[in-house]
Amino acid sequence: DAGVIQSPRHEVTEMGQEVTLRCKPISGHDYLFWYRQTMMRGLELLIYFNNNVPIDDSGMPEDRFSAKMPNASFSTLKIQPSEPRDSAVYFCASSSGYTFNEQFFGPGTRLTVL
Amino acid sequence: DAKTTQPPSMDCAEGRAANLPCNHSTISGNEYVYWYRQIHSQGPQYIIHGLKNNETNEMASLIITEDRKSSTLILPHATLRDTAVYYCIVRVGGGTSYGKLTFGQGTILTVHP
Repeated sequence: DAGVIQSPRHEVTEMGQEVTLRCKPISGHDYLFWYRQTMMRGLELLIYFNNNVPIDDSGMPEDRFSAKMPNASFSTLKIQPSEPRDSAVYFCASSSGYTFNEQFFGPGTRLTVL
Repeated sequence: DAKTTQPPSMDCAEGRAANLPCNHSTISGNEYVYWYRQIHSQGPQYIIHGLKNNETNEMASLIITEDRKSSTLILPHATLRDTAVYYCIVRVGGGTSYGKLTFGQGTILTVHP
């Protein structure tokens, strides 16, 4: 198994631009999570899905952030418009209901907004 | 979910056991203890979890006190590759909060030669 796949691995953009981060979960996993990690705030859960349905988006910082999961093998996290304070590493993770909360994390996308 | 307290940093000599403590004095009866670690520039990695019995797997052992107010993660023979931030997380198993893991600041474990 290839594990959780995220793209791009690095993204540099200018303030005001739209940014789309992508995630492919492990096949067969029915939970997908988006996290953000910064030095100041540590690792924060933004949103998670179960069977492609958003369950809890209380961690999404504001309306500029949106996440979708159109099918079981793909999810996107979009920031529009991006701001310098969005600079962080964004992780996607997936898990199976049968592995009781063992979440498998992707390698992350390092986002820099200039 | 119960709050956890971990020392900010620890050192360990290579080949020795690393014992990482975690306090969770407000833990409830239906809350589990989870350990994850994050090696530099990588995503977090699951290590082990338990409810009240001690647990062991190929990576580590988890010792939970009888009153469940604290636990210790044991890496029996630490290697340089075990240098990482170790997170102790306490949360309810199942229910509407299923899936949510709240990461604190963790313990930076440095294994030195």
